[in-house]
Formats: sequence, C-alpha cells, structure tokens
Amino acid sequence: KAGVTQTPRYLIKTRGQQVTLSCSPISGHRSVSWYQQTPGQGLQFLFEYFSETQRNKGNFPGRFSGRQFSNSRSEMNVSTLELGDSALYLCANGGTGVMGGQPQHFGDGTRLSIL
Amino acid sequence: GNSVTQMEGPVTLSEEAFLTINCTYTATGYPSLFWYVQYPGEGLQLLLKATKADDKGSNKGFEATYRKETTSFHLEKGSVQVSDSAVYFCALRNLNTGRRALTFGSGTRLQVQP
Repeated sequence: KAGVTQTPRYLIKTRGQQVTLSCSPISGHRSVSWYQQTPGQGLQFLFEYFSETQRNKGNFPGRFSGRQFSNSRSEMNVSTLELGDSALYLCANGGTGVMGGQPQHFGDGTRLSIL
Repeated sequence: GNSVTQMEGPVTLSEEAFLTINCTYTATGYPSLFWYVQYPGEGLQLLLKATKADDKGSNKGFEATYRKETTSFHLEKGSVQVSDSAVYFCALRNLNTGRRALTFGSGTRLQVQP
C-alpha cells in the first residue's frame, strides 16, 4: 500500500474556525498536490507544491492556502470555515523525477466536517 | 477547457462478467489519460495510464486504449472479481495548457456480486 500519510483522518470544526491538515509523501518524492472531494463537485484540484514552491493553484478562494517544507511534508490551511468546506481532502505525491510526474499515490484523506 | 465525462453508475455485474466503463474527454492537444480506483474508506490509486494516441495502459487485468479519433479512454476487464468493487475515476492532465493538475470525471461505482 502506498505510503502517503495524512493526518488527522477525521476532523470536526464549526463555522468560522480555521483548520490545518498535514500530508507526508513517500520518502524521496518532492511533488505534493491537494484535492478536495465532495459528492456534489467531485474531485477538484487545490494546489501543487514541488521543492517548497507552489507550482499550480486551483480555483479556490484565498481562504485555502498551503505550504511545503524542506522535508517535502505539506500542510494546507483553511480559514474562516464554511459549511461548504465539508469534504474529503486528499493529498497525493508524484514521482521522484525532476518534474515530479503525475499524482501516483494518494493518502487516505482527511474527512473534514463543518457544523 | 479540459473536461472528462464518465458513464454514470452504479454498474452492477456478476463475478467473471466483462466490464466496460466509458470515458470521453475534451482537451486541446494531446493530454495524458489516467484511470484511478478508490476502494471504500481509502484514497485514490493510480490504476493505469496512457500518454499518447493508440497507447494501451494495462494493470491487474484492466486495460484502456487512448483513442484520439473518438477522444475516449474506456476501461475494460475481461473477468471481474468481487474485490474489484470500488469507484473508478477517469482523469486527464494537459501539459499543453501549462496546468499540471488532474481533471477528473465524476467517478463510476462498480459493484461485483458473487
């Protein structure tokens, strides 16, 4: 089984709060991307990081932000939470090549519920 | 823009039946095409991929051929097993547009009955 680790697995927050999700890719993989999965919108791209630099960003409001650390671990933060932010947030790593390649291994996700 | 359309599910089959899940796409140029599978309670796993026209991706008995003329990438398996029950996502990545992100279809749930 792929070794992308996401923490926590489940999270319950209330409107207006903020949340930070964590993702640790497989060792040696420098590319990390984040996706939001909801029943209504399906899988939507949030952002991608490579070697601590954001390479791409999806069409989400500025409340959604992320970063990547020198050990390739990544965090995403959502501020001023809204009910519509309830979703499964998935992190994926690409390959080990210079450009990172396509997302290959996804973590099991963090299920965020907003009350 | 880029888009992926998949057949709606659920698809319910008996064990050892033949599987086809249709996928068509809209994109400029020559995107790379992928199938991902999501088992209950888990994240997505890359199942197979094809990067150019007429390429055939295959893995674990599943196959899909990149058809540029019909803009399709249908997933097939000759004999499904109960363990294949999952949600299958077709996706593309179009570096021609400078975007490295995947564009996913809505997913097709497969239920295989013993």
